[in-house]
Amino acid sequence: GGIITQTPKFLIGQEGQKLTLKCQQNFNHDTMYWYRQDSGKGLRLIYYSITENDLQKGDLSEGYDASREKKSSFSLTVTSAQKNEMAVFLCASSSDWGRAETLYFGSGTRLTVL
Amino acid sequence: GDSVTQTEGQVTVSESKSLIINCTYSTTSIAYPNLFWYVRYPGEGLQLLLKVITAGQKGSSRGFEATYNKETTSFHLQKASVQESDSAVYYCALGEGFASALTFGSGTKVIVLP
Repeated sequence: GGIITQTPKFLIGQEGQKLTLKCQQNFNHDTMYWYRQDSGKGLRLIYYSITENDLQKGDLSEGYDASREKKSSFSLTVTSAQKNEMAVFLCASSSDWGRAETLYFGSGTRLTVL
Repeated sequence: GDSVTQTEGQVTVSESKSLIINCTYSTTSIAYPNLFWYVRYPGEGLQLLLKVITAGQKGSSRGFEATYNKETTSFHLQKASVQESDSAVYYCALGEGFASALTFGSGTKVIVLP
């Protein structure tokens, strides 16, 4: 088995601030994802990466940057935090990028913007 | 684009009663997507409950079943007799295209009363 660790669990920032969320996985999975979940809504894809140093934009990538410098880690940067971005950010990984792969999720980072 | 619509909000059901969570999907880019149910138990991360990748097939796990119906574009989740431990948030999801990034529904919170 493996685990996905997201840090921090809670992140509080000021409007306009640049904020970074981190994700580590020890599954040795190739593909990693960042999703955002707003209260009462489904998950929306921000970025994904099919291998080290690869980045692919999801539907919600505007206002975010991502970095995959190592196979085991995937970070997400909110370039300028806005109040309407308060949400839970979920990191996930899968062993390949085939259509039927199971995603394994971390427990999330809850972002609050003051 | 793709979309997933599932039973909204919260469902309350008594222990030993049956449960059904409706899920319908729409996709513009592929005729037969892969379909998934994910679940988040209290205090835990999002995890796969079951998946079906072939139209007409049924998936099952932990007493839950879901049948991939391509005629009605539905993937309803059912359990004949729920237990308190089934209290959780359930998400229907669709996977298509050349990457396994998923499109999620908004989630259905299930509360099972003793």
